Amino acid sequence: GAGVSQSPRYKVAKRGQDVALRCDPISGHVSLFWYQQALGQGPEFLTYFQNEAQLDKSGLPSDRFFAERPEGSVSTLKIQRTQQEDSAVYLCASSLVRGSAYEQYFGPGTRLTVT
Amino acid sequence: GIQVEQSPPDLILQEGANSTLRCNFSDSVNNLQWFHQNPWGQLINLFYIPSGTKQNGRLSATTVATERYSLLYISSSQTTDSGVYFCADRMYSGGGADGLTFGKGTHLIIQP
Repeated sequence: GAGVSQSPRYKVAKRGQDVALRCDPISGHVSLFWYQQALGQGPEFLTYFQNEAQLDKSGLPSDRFFAERPEGSVSTLKIQRTQQEDSAVYLCASSLVRGSAYEQYFGPGTRLTVT
Repeated sequence: GIQVEQSPPDLILQEGANSTLRCNFSDSVNNLQWFHQNPWGQLINLFYIPSGTKQNGRLSATTVATERYSLLYISSSQTTDSGVYFCADRMYSGGGADGLTFGKGTHLIIQP
């Protein structure tokens, strides 16, 4: 079946612009995660949804970052007033939770470059 | 939250060689996953292995949860195995889903 999809794949923004990144999880996956991956580093957790509820947003680096998943399916990560340090790959993952066991599946990412 | 250490950070091998990658964890292992990040940035699931041993073709993995480590074995390496290998586990102990904490990765280069 279809995997996790993300759009756009590449985004160039001028410093100060707002951007919106989209994630379509695997159909039926109730859990959705956003990660940020800087060059040469491992992905770092940003936020987590179970259905439409945002259960953890402890990894969001500032109040310029906002995520939503209003209908429990598609999610959008919004970054307001982008800064150069926001340049990174933004990865989305989804999982089907069975008790305490789950496996996350990742999308191809959106590469954001802030100039 | 859990800390993840991967070793070695870099590995250069000739085609056909075998390799072992290691992950150490600071806390009990819950939802350990191994990934391969290809040159295009896609994270590919290799193994979901909170304990025990699994094999998939030339790749196998072993997790010893009581000793808080996991090993990924690659046999008869091919150039297409090149890329970055990550291990990751749930950020916090306990039930339910939450985010993963990743190691810094092992950058593997297989030379023809």
